[in-house]
Amino acid sequence: EVQLVESGGGLIQPGGSLRLSCAASGFTVSTNYMSWVRQAPGKGLEWVSVIWRDGTTYYAESVKGRFTISRDNSKNMLYLQMNSLRGEDTAMYYCARELQIAKGQGAFDCWGQGALVIVSS
Amino acid sequence: QSALTQPASVSGSPGQSITISCTGTSSDVGAYDYVSWYQQHSVKAPKLMIYDVTNRPSGVSNRFSGSKSGNTASLTISGLQAEDEADYYCSSYTTSRSVVFGGGTKLTVL
Repeated sequence: EVQLVESGGGLIQPGGSLRLSCAASGFTVSTNYMSWVRQAPGKGLEWVSVIWRDGTTYYAESVKGRFTISRDNSKNMLYLQMNSLRGEDTAMYYCARELQIAKGQGAFDCWGQGALVIVSS
Repeated sequence: QSALTQPASVSGSPGQSITISCTGTSSDVGAYDYVSWYQQHSVKAPKLMIYDVTNRPSGVSNRFSGSKSGNTASLTISGLQAEDEADYYCSSYTTSRSVVFGGGTKLTVL
């Protein structure tokens, strides 16, 4: 069964750091385009970052320079390192897989259940 | 990158058809045929309903269809059912190699 399970969310003070993890099963992370998408409470979806099959990464302007997406092929895991966190980063963070035929265009066919990050003092 | 523009809400009666619009710019919706639509029920993870403007993933009802003209994409749901009541989001690939979502549309089935 294809599945994504996020972990690592929690309450963190402004300026702090947090690393989200996403465990994949039923498919290989390194052969897919993988993204992080977030949703602030009561708000819409916001794309955060993508890592391509070849390892190329892209970020939303709102997180560029603060967040880093990465993967561990040996563990079949996706990560999001979040530094210099701000109140506006408070959200549910989803890891998402693109359709096999997709190439980073935002066709996410598999989503995790989400990890809640709350940035507050 | 500004969010794509969607109506905040739409409604329809069972059996009717509704259309949700998604307006972007020549840097996103108008640049590629890479528009997707997602359905989200309450606090659940989104579900892909349409990709590449018109394509349905396996298992998605053919009551859902997509189209695009210029910088505006549309999702049409025909034969509305109570289970279709949810939030719907469009997304588009952009010339900056990022993805941008719409603000979301709440569909109410009367």
